[in-house]
Amino acid sequence: NAGVTQTPKFQVLKTGQSMTLQCAQDMNHEYMSWYRQDPGMGLRLIHYSVGAGITDQGEVPNGYNVSRSTTEDFPLRLLSAAPSQTSVYFCASSPEYRVANEQFFGPGTRLTVL
Amino acid sequence: SQKIEQNSEALNIQEGKTATLTCNYTNYSPAYLQWYRQDPGRGPVFLLLIRENEKEKRKERLKVTFDTTLKQSLFHITASQPADSATYLCALGNNDMRFGAGTRLTVKP
Repeated sequence: NAGVTQTPKFQVLKTGQSMTLQCAQDMNHEYMSWYRQDPGMGLRLIHYSVGAGITDQGEVPNGYNVSRSTTEDFPLRLLSAAPSQTSVYFCASSPEYRVANEQFFGPGTRLTVL
Repeated sequence: SQKIEQNSEALNIQEGKTATLTCNYTNYSPAYLQWYRQDPGRGPVFLLLIRENEKEKRKERLKVTFDTTLKQSLFHITASQPADSATYLCALGNNDMRFGAGTRLTVKP
């Protein structure tokens, strides 16, 4: 199993550009989520999904869109990038929703918005 | 508002000693609590999970306690080694997971 994979590893954008961060898992996990990590602020939940076709907002959803058309994939879209979105983004998955399970994290995408 | 606070940004200890990290939370009633390890440039890795009805959990040199009255979890690493140097994150769970900012542990030989 590859686990949770994320692409790209690094990305530089200009303000106003759009892009999609890719996330995939091959463990048939029901629950997937996106976090951003900023110095001194820990991981903050952006969006999550409890299954294909179902998504919901987390703590900091503004400026981001998600969709879950398959169990495996959970892309994160930045529609119009802003410097405040400069961060490290982590995708995570977990076997079941509302069950105490560990989360498996991807390696992260480091995004810089100029 | 909900808050998760980890006692300090950084903790330095000598090899062989016990490291104790603290996680305090307010305005939250989590069903469970988890601890993760994060190395520089990597994603967090799960270490331990403890449920609200459990007082203590152990795994090898790791021990976690969970006091829902004090709203606090303690994370202990006994006989610490330089390889234990990393950032440790606590996370509270209900419908979604909320993380603390982490404590950076350095174990000196």
